[in-house]
Amino acid sequence: QSALTQPASVSGFPGQSITISCTGTSSDVGGYKFVSWFQQHPDKAPKLLISGVINRPSGVPDRFSGSKSGNTASLTISGLQAEDEADYYCSSYTDSTTLVVFGGGTKLTV
Amino acid sequence: QVHLVESGGGVVQPGRPLRLSCAASGFTFSTYAMHWVRQAPGKGLEWLAVISYDGNNKYYADSVKGRFFLSRKNSKNTVDLQMNGLTIDDTALYYCARDPEPRVGIYSYAMDVWGQGTTVTVSS
Repeated sequence: QSALTQPASVSGFPGQSITISCTGTSSDVGGYKFVSWFQQHPDKAPKLLISGVINRPSGVPDRFSGSKSGNTASLTISGLQAEDEADYYCSSYTDSTTLVVFGGGTKLTV
Repeated sequence: QVHLVESGGGVVQPGRPLRLSCAASGFTFSTYAMHWVRQAPGKGLEWLAVISYDGNNKYYADSVKGRFFLSRKNSKNTVDLQMNGLTIDDTALYYCARDPEPRVGIYSYAMDVWGQGTTVTVSS
């Protein structure tokens, strides 16, 4: 069982917007600004989409945006494209003995 | 071009050790913290450990604490993961990844550059 809770799957049509949630506790997501989001295509290494809750690395389209409210972080993808179909993972710093925790992942179907 | 290449994976018997290595290029390796993350077949990502830019600080996930050990050689741009007491549950694809925070001693707890991974299979 993962420390952060994500929906197993979400789906949307091209052009639509979707949001993936990532729920933790005040010891991780809710207590710190160290939430990241990753995209992983089959048989590929993960790719960083968002760090520090809202920050997009250079090269990541602005269709991808991050936010946080309380103990839940969210990744919103607007203007869905076929190539967005992938697995998405959130992660967060945690003040428990394990420094970083991941969510269980969400499969996005476009 | 920023690049990470893992090596050292293979098939190992339960209880035996294995040492993974990650070679970095294209950036000032000595100023960045480095993480290791693994992914069991068909499963999600699991954070394992991070080592500070100078190797003086290391943090481990509870699942590997006391069995896995990190080290780095900034003169060679490499970071190693020594894995002891391997079990079948350690079977996974192991990635090294860079923490994107360029300020020495600071962590972002994100990973912006990933290697292609090296596969570890623990089997008798």
